[in-house]
Amino acid sequence: DVKVTQSSRYLVKRTGEKVFLECVQDMDHENMFWYRQDPGLGLRLIYFSYDVKMKEKGDIPEGYSVSREKKERFSLILESASTNQTSMYLCASSSDRTHQPQHFGDGTRLSIL
Amino acid sequence: DQQVKQNSPSLSVQEGRISILNCDYTNSMFDYFLWYKKYPAEGPTFLISISSIKDKNEDGRFTVFLNKSAKHLSLHIVPSQPGDSAVYFCAASHTGGFKTIFGAGTRLFVKA
Repeated sequence: DVKVTQSSRYLVKRTGEKVFLECVQDMDHENMFWYRQDPGLGLRLIYFSYDVKMKEKGDIPEGYSVSREKKERFSLILESASTNQTSMYLCASSSDRTHQPQHFGDGTRLSIL
Repeated sequence: DQQVKQNSPSLSVQEGRISILNCDYTNSMFDYFLWYKKYPAEGPTFLISISSIKDKNEDGRFTVFLNKSAKHLSLHIVPSQPGDSAVYFCAASHTGGFKTIFGAGTRLFVKA
């Protein structure tokens, strides 16, 4: 079974802090994704990566950056956290960008105070 | 611009009856559709998918129907069980695209 592990389940940070969210997958998937989930808005794609050191912007990349130095690890960075970035963050991986199911981690609930 | 719409935020069904969750899409290029289930405090898990070359796909109690002319798909759960209570996300993608688009989700309550 594919396992996608997100480093923290709950995180509380202050406005202006730099925040790192880590994600690791164990199935050698080329594609990794970061989403945020907000009530009534579903899952919105922040960034994705289709290979090591490769990244593409999703629908809402503003205020975020990503890093993929190793195939199994995909990090999301909030450069200067703001209260509107309080949300549930979900990492996923898949063997194909669009035509295979994505495997999700359990999410990080991030609160920015 | 919501390309994938789930117009019912919630649905309540009696145990043993059929649950029907609906999803509409606007992009006629979509050719692959998926349903995911999400429990609280967990990530979404893949449930069932369908390619646009089919109009039905079945997996146990779960069946997905695709009506391309209406740009509509639905997920049927028969019989519904209390453990099916969760949020269900519809998702779609197309060949040559670079991402999967998710709907806003429908929360299903199955009453015992």
